[in-house]
Amino acid sequence: TQLLEQSPQFLSIQEGENLTVYCNSSSVFSSLQWYRQEPGEGPVLLVTVVTGGEVKKLKRLTFQFGDARKDSSLHITAAQPGDTGLYLCAGVGRDSNYQLIWGAGTKLIIKP
Amino acid sequence: DSGVTQTPKHLITATGQRVTLRCSPRSGDLSVYWYQQSLDQGLQFLIQYYNGEERAKGNILERFSAQQFPDLHSELNLSSLELGDSALYFCASSGIGLAGTDTQYFGPGTRLTVL
Repeated sequence: TQLLEQSPQFLSIQEGENLTVYCNSSSVFSSLQWYRQEPGEGPVLLVTVVTGGEVKKLKRLTFQFGDARKDSSLHITAAQPGDTGLYLCAGVGRDSNYQLIWGAGTKLIIKP
Repeated sequence: DSGVTQTPKHLITATGQRVTLRCSPRSGDLSVYWYQQSLDQGLQFLIQYYNGEERAKGNILERFSAQQFPDLHSELNLSSLELGDSALYFCASSGIGLAGTDTQYFGPGTRLTVL
């Protein structure tokens, strides 16, 4: 069974700090997506990465797919209170029948 | 607003009961996914439909069933409810139904509380 492990599970930092959250697996994924979910709402797709080593930037958010396509990271620069939410990674693996395998999420709180 | 609608927004019921959750996908999307999310946890994929046909099954209990109708709306039926079924249930839709390629657009969810 392919699994995605996210770390840390919970992170609370001050506004203006930088942070990185991780999404790791022992299996190869053909693509990996990052979502943000705010309280009371459904997840919203932030980015999809498909190529090993790929880096994508979305304003202050930088997403990287590992060279071996087994892991990914999300780095936030100068975090703001609006970045608060649950960050979920999800990937399509070789054995997942084209369905997304989801990580448990990182709950991020940015304090003003 | 994702364009995906879910009703009802909240549902409170008792153990042993049966409920139906409804989802209307974005206009033009053919695929519907159902997910369960327990408190502050990730999403558990339940089932996917594409253009009326079941495409993939995840961790869906035998007490749960779903269908997608000709107008593409979908219903998730939960029966013989247990306390542990209390959760947020999300519906998502996408165009061609290829996870990881398609963007899944999520509805606002139905919060089910079983007492």
